[in-house]
Amino acid sequence: DVKVTQSSRYLVKRTGEKVFLECVQDMDHENMFWYRQDPGLGLRLIYFSYDVKMKEKGDIPEGYSVSREKKERFSLILESASTNQTSMYLCASKENYGYTFGSGTRLTVV
Amino acid sequence: AQSVTQPDIHITVSEGASLELRCNYSYGATPYLFWYVQSPGQGLQLLLKYFSGDTLVQGIKGFEAEFKRSQSSFNLRKPSVHWSDAAEYFCAVGGEGGSEKLVFGKGTKLTVNP
Repeated sequence: DVKVTQSSRYLVKRTGEKVFLECVQDMDHENMFWYRQDPGLGLRLIYFSYDVKMKEKGDIPEGYSVSREKKERFSLILESASTNQTSMYLCASKENYGYTFGSGTRLTVV
Repeated sequence: AQSVTQPDIHITVSEGASLELRCNYSYGATPYLFWYVQSPGQGLQLLLKYFSGDTLVQGIKGFEAEFKRSQSSFNLRKPSVHWSDAAEYFCAVGGEGGSEKLVFGKGTKLTVNP
């Protein structure tokens, strides 16, 4: 079975900290995505990557950056965490028309 | 730009009753449509997807969905709801192209009464 692993299930960080959310897929997929999920807003796309070192902004990229140095790993970076970035973060990878999601990282910024 | 509308934020049904969750999409080309379910504290699970062919799609857990191009709709149905179906349901649209992103609706929360 395909697998997308997000390294942390729960994270608590302080305002102003630099935060790394890691996502690893074992399927050799080229395309990977980071979404943010908030109640009543559904899932919103932050960034995606269609190849190593390639990235594109999604709908809400402000306050975030990403890194894709290897095909299997796609990292989301909060340069200076703020309380309005408290949310559930979901990573996904895609090949052809199959999307696989990780279990999510619930981030709380205090 | 692609978009998805789920008109119902919250639906309550009785166990054993039928269910229909509505989804309308906007997409300029051939849409690829998905329904996902998310139980509390869990990740997203794919229920079913439509790419082409038969417009009535069967999924897991007894769910089905019908693609109606003329109405830009992809409604999810189940003939008899079980208490374990209580969850949040998300409709999503993607498109052709390897890097095509998936756009989600805001979700419909389903409550099942005994």
